[in-house]
Amino acid sequence: GQQVMQIPQYQHVQEGEDFTTYCNSSTTLSNIQWYKQRPGGHPVFLIQLVKSGEVKKQKRLTFQFGEAKKNSSLHITATQTTDVGTYFCAGRSTGNQFYFGTGTSLTVIP
Amino acid sequence: GAGVSQSPRYKVTKRGQDVALRCDPISGHVSLYWYRQALGQGPEFLTYFNYEAQQDKSGLPNDRFSAERPEGSISTLTIQRTEQRDSAMYRCASSLGGGQGNYGYTFGSGTRLTVV
Repeated sequence: GQQVMQIPQYQHVQEGEDFTTYCNSSTTLSNIQWYKQRPGGHPVFLIQLVKSGEVKKQKRLTFQFGEAKKNSSLHITATQTTDVGTYFCAGRSTGNQFYFGTGTSLTVIP
Repeated sequence: GAGVSQSPRYKVTKRGQDVALRCDPISGHVSLYWYRQALGQGPEFLTYFNYEAQQDKSGLPNDRFSAERPEGSISTLTIQRTEQRDSAMYRCASSLGGGQGNYGYTFGSGTRLTVV
């Protein structure tokens, strides 16, 4: 099936530093979604990107979809302890289902 | 309901037994998805429904796994003759659907299955 890889697998940052996670697909995607999963919780939908080269912002979070629609990134500016969790991208090629990436676990050190 | 409800929250079963996991999606959500999530991994697609029709079951690991959504609302994922490798968190999600995957998923809290 479709493969979606994320790097890095883990990231530790000092509070206030920036953080970026990258998502790469083996196939061209129709759209991509991002989710956040807090420790012990379930994935929570953050945003969806559809257009080639699209950039969307949510407060300190910036999401980007690559020109070729095979990669995406999530950038967090000035991390806070509330940003702790695992961030997943999920890509869709055809059909209605999304295939989730391997996730990046973010630890923020106060 | 207000969210996606899954039951039971925890299930411990003996190897060889059958289990049924239930998912009650958000009212009005067309699409319902089943995923399996191992510790430290991303959710792995199993199957999904639009209304009562199973659209894709390509992610089901083998024929011991089946799912249904007979009235287009509540869904049941059944695992027959459970094996230890079936132990995982099973997550259900629903979305407004629409056929083009344009809506975010709302996940339930999951069922933690342990096969002993």
